Amino acid sequence: DQQVKQNSPSLSVQEGRISILNCDYTNSMFDYFLWYKKYPAEGPTFLISISSIKDKNEDGRFTVFLNKSAKHLSLHIVPSQPGDSAVYFCAASETDSWGKLQFGAGTQVVVTP
Amino acid sequence: EPEVTQTPSHQVTQMGQEVILRCVPISNHLYFYWYRQILGQKVEFLVSFYNNEISEKSEIFDDQFSVERPDGSNFTLKIRSTKLEDSAMYFCASRGELSYNSPLHFGNGTRLTVT
Repeated sequence: DQQVKQNSPSLSVQEGRISILNCDYTNSMFDYFLWYKKYPAEGPTFLISISSIKDKNEDGRFTVFLNKSAKHLSLHIVPSQPGDSAVYFCAASETDSWGKLQFGAGTQVVVTP
Repeated sequence: EPEVTQTPSHQVTQMGQEVILRCVPISNHLYFYWYRQILGQKVEFLVSFYNNEISEKSEIFDDQFSVERPDGSNFTLKIRSTKLEDSAMYFCASRGELSYNSPLHFGNGTRLTVT
């Protein structure tokens, strides 16, 4: 099941620079998109979300962009901090799905000093 | 900040044995979920639960699996006869409402190892 794809398994970025994580989806019924961060031995932690009626949502250092025509979303983290080193998951759901999320495979972000 | 708690953090069981994974969702949440992540694979949906009944389940959630909310606070996942391929991290999640302002909150997971 490849409805949500994160094609970059890893990303290395210098502290203070911008991290850009990408996610593509194939299901045109998806209308709610989320980013989660996961540290080892912990569960996914919610970061930011966007509904399909928007194309951008910001929360502090995190901004999510949605391009519906391209079925693509991205997460920008600026500035990147060492504590941002984690696995980032893109997830999506349909309105009538009782909250069932489809997850991407994740991108491992390493922020270097 | 309120959180979803899961016990135990690690469960080892023999193939064919029954196992119960336990979760305490966030107290005012109404929607409950189980997800799992097999090592090296994606996080995948198992089941959603609302108003004391299953609202949706995946094809993974076969007759060997069941969920229950035995009291006002716990939410459990039972696997009746475990198989080797059930080894995975199992995550419980809860949500206050079905809206864009209410994301799923996950627990830290139970690592199930079937030998």
